[in-house]
Amino acid sequence: DQQVKQNSPSLSVQEGRISILNCDYTNSMFDYFLWYKKYPAEGPTFLISISSIKDKNEDGRFTVFLNKSAKHLSLHIVPSQPGDSAVYFCAASAMGNTPLVFGKGTRLSVIA
Amino acid sequence: DGGITQSPKYLFRKEGQNVTLSCEQNLNHDAMYWYRQDPGQGLRLIYYSQIVNDFQKGDIAEGYSVSREKKESFPLTVTSAQKNPTAFYLCASSIRSGDGKTQYFGPGTRLLVL
Repeated sequence: DQQVKQNSPSLSVQEGRISILNCDYTNSMFDYFLWYKKYPAEGPTFLISISSIKDKNEDGRFTVFLNKSAKHLSLHIVPSQPGDSAVYFCAASAMGNTPLVFGKGTRLSVIA
Repeated sequence: DGGITQSPKYLFRKEGQNVTLSCEQNLNHDAMYWYRQDPGQGLRLIYYSQIVNDFQKGDIAEGYSVSREKKESFPLTVTSAQKNPTAFYLCASSIRSGDGKTQYFGPGTRLLVL
């Protein structure tokens, strides 16, 4: 049973436009959420995170929004750049000694 | 220059052979993790360790073994019991397991079966 779901396997966006990647979760015990970016044959790199006490966190071109009532979070990238083309993973953590749970990823293609 | 190193980058395994993947970190992190990535499957947890000399099974531990004798090192052995070992293996570490702490990943090892 998938606790973290990324329902869109892929997304194509034009350069300069906004990219919106979505993630849903089912476990109400999750209280910390992260986004990772991954290029082929490399390890994921941490992008941005958000605690459940917030509903928005910004870092440069990246903003993560959290809607706890809907158990939904999204990553906005604006403006999108060709270097943003990668697979993006959503991850969630519950309090206590439990590892991160990852979604299956969304492949973003930014077209010049 | 702190980080996580994994070696080798590529590893070939023959049928019936055990192979060990190396993971070392100099970030002074307590917790370490092993994940496997297959196409379309995301990252699946194999084993994790919160402190030295302790580790727990993840979602897909069958056919794998680990040890944590030193804080810096968390090697993963892929045994002959793992029937489908071809995958991209990722090691990660964090300050502490869970509790909202960010995991940092190594560059990965691709294992191929001959």
